[in-house]
Amino acid sequence: EVQLVESGGGLVKPGGSLRLSCAASGFTFSNAWMSWVRQAPGKGLEWVGRIKSKADGGATDYAAPVKGRFTISRDDSKNTLYLQMNSLKTEDTAVYYCTVVSGFRFQHWGQGTLVTVAS
Amino acid sequence: EIVLTQSPGTLSLSPGERAILSCRASQSVSGTYLAWYQQKPGQAPRLLIYGASSRAAGIPDRFSGSGSGTDFTLTISRLEPEDFAVYYCQQYGSSSFTFGPGTKVDIK
Repeated sequence: EVQLVESGGGLVKPGGSLRLSCAASGFTFSNAWMSWVRQAPGKGLEWVGRIKSKADGGATDYAAPVKGRFTISRDDSKNTLYLQMNSLKTEDTAVYYCTVVSGFRFQHWGQGTLVTVAS
Repeated sequence: EIVLTQSPGTLSLSPGERAILSCRASQSVSGTYLAWYQQKPGQAPRLLIYGASSRAAGIPDRFSGSGSGTDFTLTISRLEPEDFAVYYCQQYGSSSFTFGPGTKVDIK
């Protein structure tokens, strides 16, 4: 069974940094393309970014609102995905979901971790 | 960037009725890259349909997807109590993903 468990969320001040982690199990993590999707309170879903598998080059792509501030990385030896968030803004407040990307769709989702950016 | 528009914003129906949800793209989308998700309150989204018309594993056959180009539809043939939720369409193109704003299906 695929399991994705996010951690690292919390309260941070505007301009601060936070790193989210996603522990993956139940599938071959090293072969998977992974993505982060977020959802602001009471709002819809917003794609944050994606990382390809190392076999496919390991490239990353980001949504415009987070490009230059957020960085996705992976540690295949630990089956873990990361999201480093810098220069956080109040509009980054959201639940952040870790997802497995398969065929350009989000096949599996974690339960999410809440990030609150407030002074 | 391709923008997805979903209609209606809210659909009020009774159990047993048919639900028809629309997703319209600002430019043509390959059906291969069009998916639908269901989200219930307090839960993560769940993949329902991919490739515009293929059901994901474990999804009941009362859910069906259709469409091509800029117009796509999710149909729930007979609403069950557990189907009242928010539904999102999603597309991939030009190395990015976008979601529609969602359609809420609630109990009439």
